[in-house]
Amino acid sequence: DAGVIQSPRHEVTEMGQEVTLRCKPISGHNSLFWYRQTMMRGLELLIYFNNNVPIDDSGMPEDRFSAKMPNASFSTLKIQPSEPRDSAVYFCASSPKGPANTNTIYFGEGSWLTVV
Amino acid sequence: GESVGLHLPTLSVQEGDNSIINCAYSNSASDYFIWYKQESGKGPQFIIDIRSNMDKRQGQRVTVLLNKTVKHLSLQIAATQPGDSAVYFCAERRFGNEKLTFGTGTRLTIIP
Repeated sequence: DAGVIQSPRHEVTEMGQEVTLRCKPISGHNSLFWYRQTMMRGLELLIYFNNNVPIDDSGMPEDRFSAKMPNASFSTLKIQPSEPRDSAVYFCASSPKGPANTNTIYFGEGSWLTVV
Repeated sequence: GESVGLHLPTLSVQEGDNSIINCAYSNSASDYFIWYKQESGKGPQFIIDIRSNMDKRQGQRVTVLLNKTVKHLSLQIAATQPGDSAVYFCAERRFGNEKLTFGTGTRLTIIP
């Protein structure tokens, strides 16, 4: 079975450019998460969706970040304009169940973003 | 601040020995504690979880122990193998909330 699919796997962009990260969750999963990982801050939850609806976006750093989930099989995380401090690995993850039991979250392989 | 943290950033273990990775937490309201494994270049992968009303849970070659008195969590890996080399994260969650809060991670290195 295909896991969570993220694209691009690697991106290098210049400061000020728009960055769009894409995610296809595992089919049938109804929760989707965007995490960011850095050496300094570890794994941070940015936002998560349940049934395509954003539930908690308190981790989104600032207005430069936005996330959408137009349907059950696709989500985007956009950074505009990008800054060097946004350099990180961005993980998308999905889980099959609602709030009752979501300890098993399936992560993609990440999008490695470098902003120069 | 973080509600979970790890005692050691790195741990080296001889192949075949048992590994013990520790985690301290501060939030008594957590309902679940979870261990994830992250191999180099990959996303974290679920290993095992334990509910806060339990003190021990066993999986395949892994055991998680929970000591609520001292707010301590540990992951024991039996007969460590080279494939166990990874960064291990503990995480916590509250029932009804899908948000997982991760600790900083411990890098486990297996010595041949």
